[in-house]
Amino acid sequence: GEDVEQSLFLSVREGDSSVINCTYTDSSSTYLYWYKQEPGAGLQLLTYIFSNMDMKQDQRLTVLLNKKDKHLSLRIADTQTGDSAIYFCAESMDSSYKLIFGSGTRLLVRP
Amino acid sequence: SAVISQKPSRDICQRGTSLTIQCQVDSQVTMMFWYRQQPGQSLTLIATANQGSEATYESGFVIDKFPISRPNLTFSTLTVSNMSPEDSSIYLCSVNTGSTGELFFGEGSRLTVL
Repeated sequence: GEDVEQSLFLSVREGDSSVINCTYTDSSSTYLYWYKQEPGAGLQLLTYIFSNMDMKQDQRLTVLLNKKDKHLSLRIADTQTGDSAIYFCAESMDSSYKLIFGSGTRLLVRP
Repeated sequence: SAVISQKPSRDICQRGTSLTIQCQVDSQVTMMFWYRQQPGQSLTLIATANQGSEATYESGFVIDKFPISRPNLTFSTLTVSNMSPEDSSIYLCSVNTGSTGELFFGEGSRLTVL
């Protein structure tokens, strides 16, 4: 069945780069997503990538997709304390836009 | 993008009662979904809200427990019926506008069942 896995926790120093990793299993995924959830808040769409792309860059965010290994990563450059949150990766089930979420990675940015 | 409003934002409910959550979007959208996020957990899809017809439920979710309405392209409701403490969760509405792959979420409705 479909499964999306993430490491649970990442701690970085302010100003460093953060890399959050995700693996997925459904090879028919159309889109893959990264969401940010701050305490007590909903989900903020950070970025998404179409499955036929290898990379997408948006300001401080870089998404890398290795479709062969079913591996997705999110790199945050110059990480700030305001980036501290839980980051979820998600894959869409074929073209239905129904999402399967990973368990979330809690990013802690130390001053 | 789409602006999604959910009501209520939070509520405390008694066991055995039912609560209806509303999701209002500022523009017409093609796809609307309801998700559940149990405390400290990730999100799980409950159902796809279909405009003008019965919702499509995922495995483990049934219409009697989570009836859903979608009378038009901008509005949907999710009812959590006969609540128990295990239903304490955040319930989130999600939409796709149809023009891109973007999927947006509302701020969620945090339910606590006593």
